[in-house]
Amino acid sequence: GENVEQHPSTLSVQEGDSAVIKCTYSDSASNYFPWYKQELGKRPQLIIDIRSNVGEKKDQRIAVTLNKTAKHFSLHITETQPEDSAVYFCAASKRTGNQFYFGTGTSLTVIP
Amino acid sequence: DAGITQSPRYKITETGRQVTLMCHQTWSHSYMFWYRQDLGHGLRLIYYSAAADITDKGEVPDGYVVSRSKTENFPLTLESATRSQTSVYFCASSRQVSGANVLTFGAGSRLTVL
Repeated sequence: GENVEQHPSTLSVQEGDSAVIKCTYSDSASNYFPWYKQELGKRPQLIIDIRSNVGEKKDQRIAVTLNKTAKHFSLHITETQPEDSAVYFCAASKRTGNQFYFGTGTSLTVIP
Repeated sequence: DAGITQSPRYKITETGRQVTLMCHQTWSHSYMFWYRQDLGHGLRLIYYSAAADITDKGEVPDGYVVSRSKTENFPLTLESATRSQTSVYFCASSRQVSGANVLTFGAGSRLTVL
């Protein structure tokens, strides 16, 4: 099966700085890579995703990059704000299946 | 999203008791999932269902039972709860968006087994 590894497990940044979270996956058949944000006590919510036919995707202050050859993908948050503080999960999935394999999460703290 | 609801939101039970966590979705999504969330382990898949009467094991199915008699409901039962099953449980459903299966979670059920 798929194995998704996520680093770092915790990350603290000053407000206004950038944050980068990295994930690797093992199954070359995976072709869909979503990122979820989970605020304290809330449900995980999709914030951005990328498919294997795209190398980068941006949505305002959030961007995701994918390197299929190296089997890794990253989440980039620029100009961080206190409300970005949360746990972020990466995941990998295949188009033909419906199983999602999650990383172990990154707890991001943005210090005002 | 109000379209997928879980109950109860909080439950305290004792070792050996049977517990059922309910999940209901209003979207008629075919696929539904149960995940457990534990510190250091992220989200681990317990069981999933492709349609009514079709279920399959995920990564950590031992000690759990599911059923799916109707498309909208996907209950998770712990037949004899153990302390190691203390966790936050998330139900989810997925829908197709431009060829990808997008996962949406319920609000979660926090279970404590004493």
